[in-house]
Amino acid sequence: DIQMTQSPSSLSAYVGDRVSITCRASQTINIYVNWYQHRPGKAPNLLIYTGSILQSGVPSRFSGSGSGTDFTLTISSLQPEDFATYYCQQSYNSPHTFGQGTKLEIK
Amino acid sequence: QLVQSGAEVKKSGESLRISCKGSGYIFTDYWIAWVRLMPGKGLEWMGVIYPGDSDTRYSPSLQGQVTISADRSTSTAYLQWRSLTASDSGLYYCARPRQQGSSFDAFDIWGQGTLVAVSS
Repeated sequence: DIQMTQSPSSLSAYVGDRVSITCRASQTINIYVNWYQHRPGKAPNLLIYTGSILQSGVPSRFSGSGSGTDFTLTISSLQPEDFATYYCQQSYNSPHTFGQGTKLEIK
Repeated sequence: QLVQSGAEVKKSGESLRISCKGSGYIFTDYWIAWVRLMPGKGLEWMGVIYPGDSDTRYSPSLQGQVTISADRSTSTAYLQWRSLTASDSGLYYCARPRQQGSSFDAFDIWGQGTLVAVSS
């Protein structure tokens, strides 16, 4: 299985801050990384697919980058509704493993 | 959309089948995946099924522990256990990839989740 390692595992930030979350794959996965936001009590929400493509309806403050083994999700200016847990997922090889998650909290 | 069955409370050793009903699209054209969220853990991809021909793939770590199936006549996918253990407790989601026919795509449609609680 391809292992996806996210960092940090948790992060505290202020509204308005710029934050980045990284995800490293245990082998090259081209650009096949997706990013999800998960709020308690809700279903996960797709933010970015295939590395950098913004899902329809997702605010433009979210962006994704990277290729090969290293990927980044950036939120340019945090809003109150962005405090949630974020997951990367590789869709290069089955099983389509997720990272362990990054919990983003309000400072 | 995907609508899942309700929460379940079971005892170890019991069997269980939870469901995920698709609507608003051609059910047989899209893979359906099952993803679980265990207490204190992250999301885990369990497996996928293509209702068009019942092609099914499992995570190697779960192979043999669960069964994924689909009923084309009712547009419903299932996740089944023959004998539950306490470690099966968690929140289970079904999800659909963005593109029809592709199992290697991001999930843009999710069910609301089914909570499974197993007591020993």
